[in-house]
Amino acid sequence: AQSVAQPEDQVNVAEGNPLTVKCTYSVSGNPYLFWYVQYPNRGLQFLLKYITGDNLVKGSYGFEAEFNKSQTSFHLKKPSALVSDSALYFCAVRDIGQAGTALIFGKGTTLSVSS
Amino acid sequence: ETGVTQTPRHLVMGMTNKKSLKCEQHLGHNAMYWYKQSAKKPLELMFVYNFKEQTENNSVPSRFSPECPNSSHLFLHLHTLQPEDSALYLCASSQAGPYEQFFGPGTRLTVL
Repeated sequence: AQSVAQPEDQVNVAEGNPLTVKCTYSVSGNPYLFWYVQYPNRGLQFLLKYITGDNLVKGSYGFEAEFNKSQTSFHLKKPSALVSDSALYFCAVRDIGQAGTALIFGKGTTLSVSS
Repeated sequence: ETGVTQTPRHLVMGMTNKKSLKCEQHLGHNAMYWYKQSAKKPLELMFVYNFKEQTENNSVPSRFSPECPNSSHLFLHLHTLQPEDSALYLCASSQAGPYEQFFGPGTRLTVL
């Protein structure tokens, strides 16, 4: 069965420091991987995705993610955090072999960036 | 968030009421989804529609009844809900296939 894990409930970073939000996945075939961000009282916003190709994927707002097949990970990164990056981040996965289109989401990681 | 709209944004209802949530997407997508987001829990997929046909029903209680009259509109009809159904209900749309989903702002539902 497909699954995605976000091992950290919360990540705390000082503004200007690099940030990493971790995600690992489990699928039977090749994965499609996504990151979303949710601000308070808002819906989820798409940040980036990995389908195939380069393992380093660049997305919105200066975020990037690195796909690592051997470690089954897709960690979200940003070189220099902003206070405005503080939000709830979700990793999601879809198995290419799945007939449906639904994504499986992780439980979310709260990112807190202090000034 | 103008791509996917949801109404109402907030809803308070009693356990014996009947209400409906509405979702509309202006993105030309052909797949639509309902998710439930409760505090301290992962996002739960409820229903999936592809080309107006329901393709997934994630063991959702019958007190939640979806309707998809066309590929731009999705409804969630609610009746005899329980307090534990209080949550943020999110609608999303995408092209059918492994594409990113676009989410609406959600309806905050409180069941008294």
